[in-house]
Amino acid sequence: GQNIDQPTEMTATEGAIVQINCTYQTSGFNGLFWYQQHAGEAPTFLSYNVLDGLEEKGRFSSFLSRSKGYSYLLLKELQMKDSASYLCAVRDSNYQLIWGAGTKLIIKP
Amino acid sequence: IAGITQAPTSQILAAGRRMTLRCTQDMRHNAMYWYRQDLGLGLRLIHYSNTAGTTGKGEVPDGYSVSRANTDDFPLTLASAVPSQTSVYFCATAIGGEPSGANVLTFGAGSRLTVL
Repeated sequence: GQNIDQPTEMTATEGAIVQINCTYQTSGFNGLFWYQQHAGEAPTFLSYNVLDGLEEKGRFSSFLSRSKGYSYLLLKELQMKDSASYLCAVRDSNYQLIWGAGTKLIIKP
Repeated sequence: IAGITQAPTSQILAAGRRMTLRCTQDMRHNAMYWYRQDLGLGLRLIHYSNTAGTTGKGEVPDGYSVSRANTDDFPLTLASAVPSQTSVYFCATAIGGEPSGANVLTFGAGSRLTVL
């Protein structure tokens, strides 16, 4: 079966750096996505990786290793507004999105 | 303001009743999707439409139906609601009907449905 694994919950301190990991086992691979979802709101797109390596976008970076079935989202200079759930999703060989359950990130002052 | 409008925002429904969740977009995106989100689970695709006039089944289609008469509207109907359909329902759109490049999803604000 297809599977996306993420930690359920993480806690970090304002101003610090946090890395949220995502491992996947899917039928083929056609890209990996990270979305942010604040409580009670809709998910919003953060990043897309299709080739190995690091994609940087301001305070957020996303890394992909296809051979290891692994990605991480790196958040720097954490702000209170970064408290949210972070969803990892992989597009499989049928171009269907498989979603992880999400990682709830709690930022403490 | 361009985007996706979902209605109702929240609804409590008796089991056995028929319910239609509405989704309207004004971005002229080809593809539209219905997902459900349950605690501890990833988003699960119910039905999708790659372009007006076509629909397809997702991962969890049973008990749900959709139609896509035009580009903008993609209603989701529960013919006879059951308690296991209690969930938050998100409508989403993407520019391309067929995946190409990132084909990023834009989500509506969601409809919270409780079936008693």
